[in-house]
Amino acid sequence: DIQMTQSPSSLSASVGDRVTITCQASQDISNYLNWYQQKPGKAPKLLIYDASNLETGVPSRFSGSGSGTDFTFTISSLQPEDIATYYCQQYDNLLITFGQGTRLEIK
Amino acid sequence: EVQLVQSGAEVKKPGESLKISCKGSGYSFTSYWIGWVRQMPGKGLEWMGIIYPGDSDTRYSPSFQGQVTISADKSISTAYLQWSSLKASDTAMYYCVRHSRDYGNDYWGQGTLVTVSS
Repeated sequence: DIQMTQSPSSLSASVGDRVTITCQASQDISNYLNWYQQKPGKAPKLLIYDASNLETGVPSRFSGSGSGTDFTFTISSLQPEDIATYYCQQYDNLLITFGQGTRLEIK
Repeated sequence: EVQLVQSGAEVKKPGESLKISCKGSGYSFTSYWIGWVRQMPGKGLEWMGIIYPGDSDTRYSPSFQGQVTISADKSISTAYLQWSSLKASDTAMYYCVRHSRDYGNDYWGQGTLVTVSS
């Protein structure tokens, strides 16, 4: 299996802050990396696909970068509605794996 | 509009069998993989396995191989996840997802809560 190491596991930030989450794959996954947002009681929502492509309708304050084994997810200016848990996911093959998740809170 | 609609919540006893469903609409059901994801209470997302309804090619995560069965009926655009003998540790929310090489898991079902308790 490809292991995904996501950090931090939790994060507290203020409205307007720049927030960064990282994800490292245990082997080269090219750009086959997605980022999801999950709010309590809801299904996850795709935000970024193929490492850096913004899903239609997702605010431009969300962005992703990276390739190979190291990836970054950024919220440029944190908004109250961004409170959620964020997950990375690799889909280089059909044995898909997720990162452990990052719980984002407002300070 | 692409939709994945899952069957309703279930309450079962240990040892019972269960089959939950996921009906796709708004796209060609046989042209995309359908995967299943488990989320235990208060925990993260776990990949269980995936099926290609076009030819029923099925792959399981090693952690779930032999524990569940994934199937699909393309005539009614529905995928299934089933257990032959439930355990209390199967209590979780289960999501179906549409998967493609280009976009990964782009559409998710609303989830099916399975509770296993004596």
